[in-house]
Amino acid sequence: SAVISQKPSRDICQRGTSLTIQCQVDSQVTMMFWYRQQPGQSLTLIATANQGSEATYESGFVIDKFPISRPNLTFSTLTVSNMSPEDSSIYLCSAEQGGNTIYFGEGSWLTVV
Amino acid sequence: ILNVEQSPQSLHVQEGDSTNFTCSFPSSNFYALHWYRWETAKSPEALFVMTLNGDEKKKGRISATLNTKEGYSYLYIKGSQPEDSATYLCAFSGGSNYKLTFGKGTLLTVNP
Repeated sequence: SAVISQKPSRDICQRGTSLTIQCQVDSQVTMMFWYRQQPGQSLTLIATANQGSEATYESGFVIDKFPISRPNLTFSTLTVSNMSPEDSSIYLCSAEQGGNTIYFGEGSWLTVV
Repeated sequence: ILNVEQSPQSLHVQEGDSTNFTCSFPSSNFYALHWYRWETAKSPEALFVMTLNGDEKKKGRISATLNTKEGYSYLYIKGSQPEDSATYLCAFSGGSNYKLTFGKGTLLTVNP
């Protein structure tokens, strides 16, 4: 099974600033995804991180707010831009490694003050 | 908009009790149903991926069933232990693009 590491695990951010979350997988994977969970809500897909091309965003999420990079088959970053308190969430990186199983990182807990 | 519902929202049981949760999902365009176990500050742990109507899967004291025609899945825990305390998530996949739509989860607390 894939082991996924995320950094930072937790942060408190000032509103108006941006933060980049890093995701490292211990093996090459084709598909990587970014999810978030706002308080009291379900885990929601932000975008699919495509290697070598622009990410594919879900309805309600835009590249200017959540720019994503995927420079290779083991690494991706998600930036949360111009943060507001509504961006306080858990952000999770995930990857598919065959057999339909999707693996997740431990999440990055962001609080915007 | 896909709707995945889980019930109950939370559950308190005593050690040794058996329990079960429900996940309902769209019965059309079904590809796979995933169950995860998520403890605070840890990665969601993949329990089962089920793709066929009538699938039954088992992992230790935990088992799951799938009915794609009516759009529901049950997760069973036999003889609950305090270490089973976690949030149990189900997620629906409508295609081979591996995009998941999650329910809000069932928070299980097992009291010793």
